[in-house]
Amino acid sequence: EAGVAQSPRYKIIEKRQSVAFWCNPISGHATLYWYQQILGQGPKLLIQFQNNGVVDDSQLPKDRFSAERLKGVDSTLKIQPAKLEDSAVYLCASSLGMVRDFGDTQYFGPGTRLTVL
Amino acid sequence: DAKTTQPPSMDCAEGRAANLPCNHSTISGNEYVYWYRQIHSQGPQYIIHGLKNNETNEMASLIITEDRKSSTLILPHATLRDTAVYYCIVRVYGNKLVFGAGTILRVKS
Repeated sequence: EAGVAQSPRYKIIEKRQSVAFWCNPISGHATLYWYQQILGQGPKLLIQFQNNGVVDDSQLPKDRFSAERLKGVDSTLKIQPAKLEDSAVYLCASSLGMVRDFGDTQYFGPGTRLTVL
Repeated sequence: DAKTTQPPSMDCAEGRAANLPCNHSTISGNEYVYWYRQIHSQGPQYIIHGLKNNETNEMASLIITEDRKSSTLILPHATLRDTAVYYCIVRVYGNKLVFGAGTILRVKS
């Protein structure tokens, strides 16, 4: 079974530029998550989709971050404009079940390392 | 959200069992305990999870105390490749994983 795919793996941009990350979850997984991991910290959830609907985006800085999962499969996360403090690893994860499933396991992709100069 | 407490770091000799503790004294009755690990420059990797009973899989064993206020992840025969940050997480409603700082496990030869 193929895992969660993410691209690009690395990205370097200047502040105030825009950037987009792509994620393809494990086939058949209903729920998709984007996390931000700043160096030295654990991952922090940014947004959670169930199929193509947003379940939780309470931690997403909506003035500059946006995400979509139009057909309920792959997803893109965009930052516009980027700030220095956005330098982090952006992780995508997916899980088979629905929001109500306590015992549902999330599987993570390798992440995209963003450096903002 | 139920909070977990883990030691910041631990060392283990190669070939020995690694026992990683976690306190979760505010856990609710229907919340699972999950363990993930993150090897340098990789995404978090699922290890094991449990609700009340002890669990074992090909990677590790999870021992949960009867009152569910603490648990221990056991890697039976640690290898150098087990060096990683280990996260103990209490799974809240909505499938959210709230990561703490984790425990840095260093396996030494």
